[in-house]
Amino acid sequence: EVQLVESGGGLVQPGGSLRLSCVASGFPFTTYSLNWVRQAPGKGLEWISYISKSGDTIYYADSVKGRFTISRDNAKNSLSLQMNGLRDEDTAIYYCARDRTAVTSEYYFDYWGQGTLVTVSS
Amino acid sequence: EIVLTQSPGTLSLSPGERVILSCRASQTVTARSLAWYQQKPGQAPRLLMVGASRRATGIPDRFSGSGSGTDFTLSISRLEREDSAVYHCQQYGTTPSFGQGTRLEIK
Repeated sequence: EVQLVESGGGLVQPGGSLRLSCVASGFPFTTYSLNWVRQAPGKGLEWISYISKSGDTIYYADSVKGRFTISRDNAKNSLSLQMNGLRDEDTAIYYCARDRTAVTSEYYFDYWGQGTLVTVSS
Repeated sequence: EIVLTQSPGTLSLSPGERVILSCRASQTVTARSLAWYQQKPGQAPRLLMVGASRRATGIPDRFSGSGSGTDFTLSISRLEREDSAVYHCQQYGTTPSFGQGTRLEIK
């Protein structure tokens, strides 16, 4: 069974930092590219970052570029998101999501974690 | 960026009825690269449909998708109470983007 389990969320002040983690199991980790997708309270979903299966290709949404850094450790089946310079508008549930680009070249998300809540507030 | 607009925002229906949800794109979505997700309260999104009309693994045939270009729909027939959820569309012809969601309540 495919599982993605996020952790690391919490309350942080504006301008602060937080590091999210996602541990994967139930599939060959190095075969798939991964993403972070967030959902602000009462809002729709927003894709924010992508990392290829080897980690050599990375993309960010403009809303987080220069502040967030995605990385992965294929030896530990883990994905991370380092978030710096946090703003009120970064408050959201952050989901780790697997995509199909490395398998079928289609960029949809076939498995999601349960999410971790990040609250940015003073 | 392709902006997706879903309609209606919210609707309430009865078990056994049929519903059609709309997803309209601000530009043509290439190769029908559109997916639908179902999200129940407190849960992660669940993949329903890809390529506009292909059901994901394990999705019952009560769910069907159609459309091309800028207009796409998700139909759900013989509604059940468990279909109560928010439904999101997502395009993946370019940098992925999502609609704002349609909330469906089955009374």
